[in-house]
Formats: sequence, C-alpha cells, structure tokens
Amino acid sequence: DTEVTQTPKHLVMGMTNKKSLKCEQHMGHRAMYWYKQKAKKPPELMFVYSYEKLSINESVPSRFSPECPNSSLLNLHLHALQPEDSALYLCASSQVSFGRGEAPEAFFGQGTRLTVV
Amino acid sequence: AQKITQTQPGMFVQEKEAVTLDCTYDTSDQSYGLFWYKQPSSGEMIFLIYQGSYDEQNATEGRYSLNFQKARKSANLVISASQLGDSAMYFCAMREGMFSGGYNKLIFGAGTRLAVHP
Repeated sequence: DTEVTQTPKHLVMGMTNKKSLKCEQHMGHRAMYWYKQKAKKPPELMFVYSYEKLSINESVPSRFSPECPNSSLLNLHLHALQPEDSALYLCASSQVSFGRGEAPEAFFGQGTRLTVV
Repeated sequence: AQKITQTQPGMFVQEKEAVTLDCTYDTSDQSYGLFWYKQPSSGEMIFLIYQGSYDEQNATEGRYSLNFQKARKSANLVISASQLGDSAMYFCAMREGMFSGGYNKLIFGAGTRLAVHP
C-alpha cells in the first residue's frame, strides 16, 4: 500500500473551473513534490517544497498554484486550465537527511488522472 | 547538465527468465545517486533499487540487481526469474549532489515498457 495518499484519483474539469488536488503523507518527510506525467512520457518535476517552503518552481504556468499548509499536506490548486494540461499528476515525498549508504528514495502516490475539457 | 538515457522503448521476456533493462547517464558531478522505479498501469511509481556513486558493491534487492559500471556511466537493472506481475513501465532516474542532503531533484529517463509472457 502506498504511504502517500492522493485525492481525487480521477478528475474531469472544465477550462473555467477551479479545483484542487490533495496529497498527504505521514512518514515525517520534510520534502514534497508535484510531478506532471503525460501519456507514454516520464514524470516531469513541477514543484518542490522543503520544510514547507517552496524550493523549486520549474517555470510552471501560474494557473497551477501549489500550497503546503503543513509538513504532511501538499495541495495543487488548478484554475483556468487548458486541454493540454490533461495528465497524471503525481505527488511524492522524501526525507531530507540521510546517511551514506541509505537509499533516499522518493515515495510516490498513485496520482490523480486529470482531464480538462 | 545531467541526462538519463534508456534506449529500449519496449522489451519482452518469458516468465521465469532474467531480463536486463539498460540505462546510461551523463553528469559532471562526482556525487550522485541512481534509482529505478516501476510504474504499473495503475500509475503509482514504485521504488525498486538505489545505487550511490561511491558505493563499491552493486546494489541488490530481492530479484532486482543493479549492474553499475561507473566508468561506462551505465546502471542497468537486472530482473531475475521474471513474473507476470513484472509487466510495467520501468524508469531509471538520477539525482546529483547526493551528500548535500536536502530534497531529491530526480531526472527520469524515457522509460522501458517490459512485457512478461507466460
């Protein structure tokens, strides 16, 4: 079972709608991520939060607005999206300190499949 | 700039046989980490195995092993005794600056779709 929970699993929204994606983890990880994955492509990093502060924004359009209200939660607010924004949105988390020889893997949720109509 | 290359868009293997998925990388950093993830059709990215650039031994995790050849900049995944449940997309990924701590900025390869035939 995944330890990163994303809701909803599927979302269909119109181009004028406002919706939010939610991600939650209880592993004590202090880094959280949003990735976008188009069909048959690898995930692409969108945002990174470290200690609840935005550390990386990979030049994502402002119609995507991330929020990290606490160390366990990560939201992605969506507004005025375009059909080309339809994709699988993956949330991930990882620890920020680790010893040599430890595997600092990122844990991923099952994703939200977003369709913009 | 770092780059991950997976040259096999698709592979197939007979059940119970071994298969090797190729991954080459490019980085100017001396400290980096290499990861393999499995993505079934459900969408979740499942971590399989990790190799640090300073690790002298090849990583192994159950049926998964990583054939790390640092001079050739390759990090191939070997799956032994393939099972039908191994059918999925497999991604190789890299992170630079492993020992500075902090967050994981992973760069993924294009992926290899593996089909296991009975």
